[in-house]
Amino acid sequence: KAGVTQTPRYLIKTRGQQVTLSCSPISGHRSVSWYQQTPGQGLQFLFEYFSETQRNKGNFPGRFSGRQFSNSRSEMNVSTLELGDSALYLCASSWGTSGSADTQYFGPGTRLTVL
Amino acid sequence: DQQVKQNSPSLSVQEGRISILNCDYTNSMFDYFLWYKKYPAEGPTFLISISSIKDKNEDGRFTVFLNKSAKHLSLHIVPSQPGDSAVYFCAAAGSYQLTFGKGTKLSVIP
Repeated sequence: KAGVTQTPRYLIKTRGQQVTLSCSPISGHRSVSWYQQTPGQGLQFLFEYFSETQRNKGNFPGRFSGRQFSNSRSEMNVSTLELGDSALYLCASSWGTSGSADTQYFGPGTRLTVL
Repeated sequence: DQQVKQNSPSLSVQEGRISILNCDYTNSMFDYFLWYKKYPAEGPTFLISISSIKDKNEDGRFTVFLNKSAKHLSLHIVPSQPGDSAVYFCAAAGSYQLTFGKGTKLSVIP
């Protein structure tokens, strides 16, 4: 069974640009979550989608947005990039129907560098 | 305010001995906990989980213990192997999100 895939794996952008990251969940999983990992803040939750609906959102500015498609694939977008947005962006998928007892499986991440 | 804390940034253990990684949490609403292993520039790999209705869960060399009254959990790895060297994250589940600790870097010395 294929795992979570993320594209692209690496991105270099300049300040002010926007970026779109893509995530394909494990087959059958309907929940997709996004996390940001930085050396200073660790792993922080961005948002979670289930059946194309955002069920929860972390404490990030509105420049960070996401969406989920009917096939459960998800994208996240960051507009007006800032140097501090340089991070590893991780996508995780799960069944989404077990309440809190729902194990999330992570993809390899997209390394975003903002110059 | 950190709701999940891993107070030891690093831990060194001899090969074959037990590794014990600790995690504390403050939110009593958390009822499902997970441990992940992570290598640099890769996504976290799920290791083991525990529900708050249990106090122990085992999977091969990995055992997780949960003490709800103390809001404390620990991961035991026995015996430790050099391939276990990585950063280990404790996470608590709630409201469709995971809240992570800052991680503990485990080094297993051959």
